[in-house]
Amino acid sequence: GENVEQHPSTLSVQEGDSAVIKCTYSDSASNYFPWYKQELGKRPQLIIDIRSNVGEKKDQRIAVTLNKTAKHFSLHITETQPEDSAVYFCAASINGNQFYFGTGTSLTVIP
Amino acid sequence: NAGVTQTPKFQVLKTGQSMTLQCAQDMNHNSMYWYRQDPGMGLRLIYYSASEGTTDKGEVPNGYNVSRLNKREFSLRLESAAPSQTSVYFCASMLAVSYEAFFGQGTRLTVV
Repeated sequence: GENVEQHPSTLSVQEGDSAVIKCTYSDSASNYFPWYKQELGKRPQLIIDIRSNVGEKKDQRIAVTLNKTAKHFSLHITETQPEDSAVYFCAASINGNQFYFGTGTSLTVIP
Repeated sequence: NAGVTQTPKFQVLKTGQSMTLQCAQDMNHNSMYWYRQDPGMGLRLIYYSASEGTTDKGEVPNGYNVSRLNKREFSLRLESAAPSQTSVYFCASMLAVSYEAFFGQGTRLTVV
């Protein structure tokens, strides 16, 4: 099955700085890559996603890039704010079947 | 519009006891999932149901059973709970057009 690795496991940045979280996947058939944000004690919520026919997608301060050849994708958060502090999960899926999640990155934005 | 609703939110079981976690969605989604979340291990798929009447094993199905009662409801059963099943359990349903998964609020289960 698919194996998704996520790094780093923890990340601290100063408010206003950028944060980058990286994931690799093993199954070249995976074609959908979402990112979920989970605040403490809450449910995961989708923040951005990308499909394999696209190399980059941006939504305001967040962006995701995908390198199919290298089988890795990254989440970029610019101008970080304290409310960005949360655990972020990447995932990989083939056509929305069986999402395989990374182990999560705990992001802390220091005011 | 409640989205995905799980019950209960918290549960403590003794080893060997059984229980069923309930999940219901009101978004008319075909696909539903059960995940467990453990510290440092992310979300791992237990079982999923691509449509009413079908269920399939995920990464960690041992010790669990599921029932897709109808399109709205997908339940997870622990027949004989073990301490290793102490975890937070999330149900999710997926919008087929976008592949976006919507999660329930989670059930924190402790087996002592």
